[in-house]
Amino acid sequence: QVQLVQSGTEVKKPGSSVKVACKASGNTFKNNAFSWVRQAPGHGLEWMGGIIPIIGKVNNAEQFQGRISITANESTITTFLEIHSLRSEDTAFYYCARGPTTVTHRLDSWGQGTLVIVSS
Amino acid sequence: SSELTQDPAVSVALGQTVRITCHGDSFRSYFPSWFQQKPGQAPILVIYGKNHRPSGIPDRFSGSISGNTASLTITGAQAEDEADYYCNSRDISGKSSVIFAGGTKLTVL
Repeated sequence: QVQLVQSGTEVKKPGSSVKVACKASGNTFKNNAFSWVRQAPGHGLEWMGGIIPIIGKVNNAEQFQGRISITANESTITTFLEIHSLRSEDTAFYYCARGPTTVTHRLDSWGQGTLVIVSS
Repeated sequence: SSELTQDPAVSVALGQTVRITCHGDSFRSYFPSWFQQKPGQAPILVIYGKNHRPSGIPDRFSGSISGNTASLTITGAQAEDEADYYCNSRDISGKSSVIFAGGTKLTVL
């Protein structure tokens, strides 16, 4: 099973950007699709977007279009979520999760979560 | 509707059976996945596909689908099953690839 380790807590000012990293175990992205899922305090899970690194396909949820960037670095087996124009409502835990490329919503491995705090 | 909906809260007596349901038109085309999340922890996958359990998930967890309703059943609920449960699926609206329901808080009495 793929293990996912995420970068640490971030504290950001409104209007700034944040980039969260998610490193996968193993030595290849083969057969892996990665999703980013947000969970605001006391709220449910919200899918933000995903990437299939081996074919370079990125798909973002409509409500986040234009405000997030999901990328991957094949050499370090790391995926990234960058959020621009942060606002207080973006304060949340951000999880990366892995699924097979053929069933991307079957998220069978999750990172530990990264807390992003947006505060002036 | 492309949305997925769950009851916000369900309770079950220790050792009894509980069914958590999730409604959505996407289940006419795609199987759901079910996730368990305990306080302060990341979610974990407990059921996927027609009715498959990842390694390490107890066999008291099972899944089923009827029409546009997916169900997660816990047969003989244990205290450690108290958690939030989420279903998800592919989004048939085109606004997203994946969609989650709002989650159900399960209390074991």
